[in-house]
Amino acid sequence: AQSVAQPEDQVNVAEGNPLTVKCTYSVSGNPYLFWYVQYPNRGLQFLLKYITGDNLVKGSYGFEAEFNKSQTSFHLKKPSALVSDSALYFCAVTDLNFNKFYFGSGTKLNVKP
Amino acid sequence: NAGVTQTPKFRVLKTGQSMTLLCAQDMNHEYMYWYRQDPGMGLRLIHYSVGEGTTAKGEVPDGYNVSRLKKQNFLLGLESAAPSQTSVYFCASSPGASLRTEAFFGQGTRLTVV
Repeated sequence: AQSVAQPEDQVNVAEGNPLTVKCTYSVSGNPYLFWYVQYPNRGLQFLLKYITGDNLVKGSYGFEAEFNKSQTSFHLKKPSALVSDSALYFCAVTDLNFNKFYFGSGTKLNVKP
Repeated sequence: NAGVTQTPKFRVLKTGQSMTLLCAQDMNHEYMYWYRQDPGMGLRLIHYSVGEGTTAKGEVPDGYNVSRLKKQNFLLGLESAAPSQTSVYFCASSPGASLRTEAFFGQGTRLTVV
C-alpha cells in the first residue's frame, strides 16, 4: 500500500534562511509524489510533482524538491524563506493508476521576520 | 475558470440531521474525490469516483454516501450526522491515470455537527 510520512509537525525558520520540509514514502511500484500548500481557510494548492526524470524538481513560488530513491524521501526545499511561505504543507503519493492520492499528516511551516 | 466548486462553504447541523455536499468541476476530469481534514491527521479519503456512474470506498467511508450521476458533479451525503463528522471536507478532481497529473482541490466545506 502507498503511504507518506511527514515526521515534523512544525518547522520554524527565520526569513532569508533556507527551509526544508521532510517527506518519506512507502510505495509498491514507481512513486508518483506531490507537494501541496494550504493557506488558512483555503483549499490545497499544487506546488510540484515528481513523476519521472530528473531527481530535482522545481515548482511554484521558488520551491523545489529532491527525489531520493535510496532514502525513499521527497523533501521540499527553498533557498531563502519568506514570511509569506508560512502555511501548512502536505506531501502526497498516488497509487499506480492515480485512483487515489494519499496524504501525509501535514507540516506547519512558520517563517519569522 | 472556476475549477472545483464546493457548496456550501459552511454548515451547522444538529445530530441526526442529513445533508448533501455538492462538488462541481468544469475541467472535464474523470476522477473525483472527497476528503476530510482533521487536525493532526492530514487528509483522509472518504470516497472516490473514477468515472460517471461509478463510486468506491476510501479510507473512512462509514457514515457517508456518494453519487456521481453526472461527470462534472460528485455529491457527498450524510444520512444521520454525528459530532464525529465535524470536519473540513474537500473535494478534488483529476484527469486520471492517462495524464499522470495532480489533483485539483475545492475551497472546502466547514461542517459542524452539534
